[in-house]
Parts: sequence; C-alpha cells; structure tokens
Amino acid sequence: GNSVTQMEGPVTLSEEAFLTINCTYTATGYPSLFWYVQYPGEGLQLLLKATKADDKGSNKGFEATYRKETTSFHLEKGSVQVSDSAVYFCALPDTGRRALTFGSGTRLQVQP
Amino acid sequence: EAQVTQNPRYLITVTGKKLTVTCSQNMNHEYMSWYRQDPGLGLRQIYYSMNVEVTDKGDVPEGYKVSRKEKRNFPLILESPSPNQTSLYFCASSRRESGEKLFFGSGTQLSVL
Repeated sequence: GNSVTQMEGPVTLSEEAFLTINCTYTATGYPSLFWYVQYPGEGLQLLLKATKADDKGSNKGFEATYRKETTSFHLEKGSVQVSDSAVYFCALPDTGRRALTFGSGTRLQVQP
Repeated sequence: EAQVTQNPRYLITVTGKKLTVTCSQNMNHEYMSWYRQDPGLGLRQIYYSMNVEVTDKGDVPEGYKVSRKEKRNFPLILESPSPNQTSLYFCASSRRESGEKLFFGSGTQLSVL
C-alpha cells in the first residue's frame, strides 16, 4: 500500500530562518499529496496540496512541489515565525479505504 | 461555523469500563472517520463511514466499535478499554467528492489505567 516517510523531529529554528521538512512517498500511480499542520491543542488542518506531478502547492508562505522523479514532496518556507511552531504531517490518500496515510509527523519549534 | 466537535477533550478511565467518545459535524458531510495518534506512528485510521449505516474497518479496528445512525454523528465505542488504547483520538469528516480534505475535531486524550 501507499506509505510516507518524513524526517525525524524536532526541528528547532530561529525566527526568519529557512525551513525544509523532507517527505518521500511510495505509491501506486500519481496520487494527490498533502501537508497537514497541527497547532498545539488542536486537530489537524490542511495546509496545502498538489494534485499532479510538478504541481506546487502553497499557503501561508509554505510551499511544496510534487516531484515524481524523486517521489518527494518537501515542505519549505523562506522565513519562519514563532507562530509556525506546530507538528507537520505529510499525507497521501489510500483510495481503497477512503483514508489518508500520514507520515509520523515533524515537530517544528521556532524560537524568537 | 463549520466544525467537527468531539467530546470529551480529556478522559481518564480504568481497564474494562465501557466508554463512548462522541463526534458530531455540522457540514452535512457523508464521510466520517476515526484516527488515533501515537508518538512516532503518526495517525492511524480506526474506522470510517461512507454514509449512514455504512461503516468499515481501518488499519487498527481491534477493540473499537462505531455506529452511524445519523449523518452528523459518529461515536467511537470502547467496550472494554485496555491500557494499550491510551492515545489521542481524532474524528474527521469530509464531503464525498473531496475525501482528501479532512476536517478534524480538536481531539480526545484518553488514558486507560
């Protein structure tokens, strides 16, 4: 079945630093890819998505490009803020069960 | 306001004492699902429902039951909780046409002693 591998956390950065969180996937075909974010004490919410190869999803200054050659969907942001501190999950659908398969999550801590 | 509401937020119980975690959504979504979140494992699906009276197992259904008698509600039932069910639980919903954009509740932290 489909699977997702994310870089281990936590990732600790200073404000205004550049962020990359790596995500690679294994899937049949070319499914849509997602990044979800979980702020402290809250449920997950969709951050961005890409539906086909070479698509770039973007939201709130975050970007991720669907790379089928490297089966990757790395999350980037040019200048992080303290308010970006959260856990980030890469995900792709398991259409057979109408489920999302999530990575293990990467905690980001941004220090002032 | 569109939302998925779970209750309770926190629950401490003892082994074997039946409990129910409620989930309700106000968006008229057909699809609802339960996940559990454990450190290092991400989220794993427990059960899902495509519509009223239609439910199916996810990755980790053992020890759980669900029901979907109404479109808006999807309770999670632990008939005889055990310590390995200590976890953070999330309910989620979506429209049938856009199943990947899930709307999540705020979570229920369950501790089974």
